[in-house]
Amino acid sequence: KQEVTQIPAALSVPEGENLVLNCSFTDSAIYNLQWFRQDPGKGLTSLLLIQSSQREQTSGRLNASLDKSSGRSTLYIAASQPGDSATYLCAVWDSGNTPLVFGKGTRLSVIA
Amino acid sequence: NAGVTQTPKFRILKIGQSMTLQCTQDMNHNYMYWYRQDPGMGLKLIYYSVGAGITDKGEVPNGYNVSRSTTEDFPLRLELAAPSQTSVYFCASSHSGEDNEKLFFGSGTQLSVL
Repeated sequence: KQEVTQIPAALSVPEGENLVLNCSFTDSAIYNLQWFRQDPGKGLTSLLLIQSSQREQTSGRLNASLDKSSGRSTLYIAASQPGDSATYLCAVWDSGNTPLVFGKGTRLSVIA
Repeated sequence: NAGVTQTPKFRILKIGQSMTLQCTQDMNHNYMYWYRQDPGMGLKLIYYSVGAGITDKGEVPNGYNVSRSTTEDFPLRLELAAPSQTSVYFCASSHSGEDNEKLFFGSGTQLSVL
């Protein structure tokens, strides 16, 4: 059974810092890996999707990498801003074609 | 663009009552999903559908039922509400199950069973 773990559970950083969020998964035979953002009381917004054949994806100040063999992904946020404060969730779609399995998320606070 | 719409946004039920959580999408997506999110936890898959007339169980299907009579709608039914079903419920959709397909989420239904 696929399990997804995110470390740390919570993170507080001053504005302007670069930061890394970590995601690990137990079964490396994945279809894709997705990073989502969730604001309090809201739904999830897709940030980046990395297909199993890819190593990374970039969108603006966000960069996500994937190392399937080690079962790890990182989300890099450059020059963090208070508006980046949210919970970031990692999810994998494993090759058994079971829809996305989610981690518990990392709650990020960026302090002005 | 409406995207994925869920109703109601909030609901309080008494133990043993039943209700249907509504979900509709206007993107002509084939795949639809129901997840629940408990405080401090990730999302857990309840049921999903790969097209009209086809549904399948996820990780936590007990106590729930679904149907998919149209491409647009994917309602979730709670027959005998229990306190363990207190949660936030999210509906999502994607065009297909291809490896480059992102999921689009609704804004959620917060359900309390007392």
